[in-house]
Amino acid sequence: GDSVTQMEGPVTLSEEAFLTINCTYTATGYPSLFWYVQYPGEGLQLLLKATKADDKGSNKGFEATYRKETTSFHLEKGSVQVSDSAVYFCALYQAAGNKLTFGGGTRVLVKP
Amino acid sequence: DTEVTQTPKHLVMGMTNKKSLKCEQHMGHRAMYWYKQKAKKPPELMFVYSYEKLSINESVPSRFSPECPNSSLLNLHLHALQPEDSALYLCASSQEYGLDNYNEQFFGPGTRLTVL
Repeated sequence: GDSVTQMEGPVTLSEEAFLTINCTYTATGYPSLFWYVQYPGEGLQLLLKATKADDKGSNKGFEATYRKETTSFHLEKGSVQVSDSAVYFCALYQAAGNKLTFGGGTRVLVKP
Repeated sequence: DTEVTQTPKHLVMGMTNKKSLKCEQHMGHRAMYWYKQKAKKPPELMFVYSYEKLSINESVPSRFSPECPNSSLLNLHLHALQPEDSALYLCASSQEYGLDNYNEQFFGPGTRLTVL
């Protein structure tokens, strides 16, 4: 079945540091890929998405590129802020399965 | 209004209690979802309602009973729960369900449930 693997956290950074969270997936066909963010005490918010190979999703300074050849969708941000402290989930959607498959989540802590 | 609201925010219940979780959206979405999220884990899908009809039940124990009284409301009735059912219960909605193209799911803040 489909699966998503992302790096385990926590990832601890200083403000203005560069952030990368690795995400790889296993799926048949051509899934859509997503990054969700969950701030403390809140539900999930869609951060960005990409629906086909080589698409780049971007939002709030975060970027991720759909790489079919490496089955990856790594999340990057050039300069993190304390307010970026959250748990980040990589996910995929297959039309055939009609549901989101989430990775395990990566907790990011940004210190001032 | 792009908000999904959930009540209560926190709930503590005994194993013999009956309680209900409530979810509401006013975005005109026709699909609504219940997820269960254990600490430090991703959300797990429990139920999907499409046009007020149950479309998916992911083999959830019968002590969880969903209900969709109308297109804006989704309830989760709880009875005879076990301590291992303690988790964050998330509700979500999307415009439609079951299409080839993904419909973004909007999540509520969740109800944190503790079963004693």
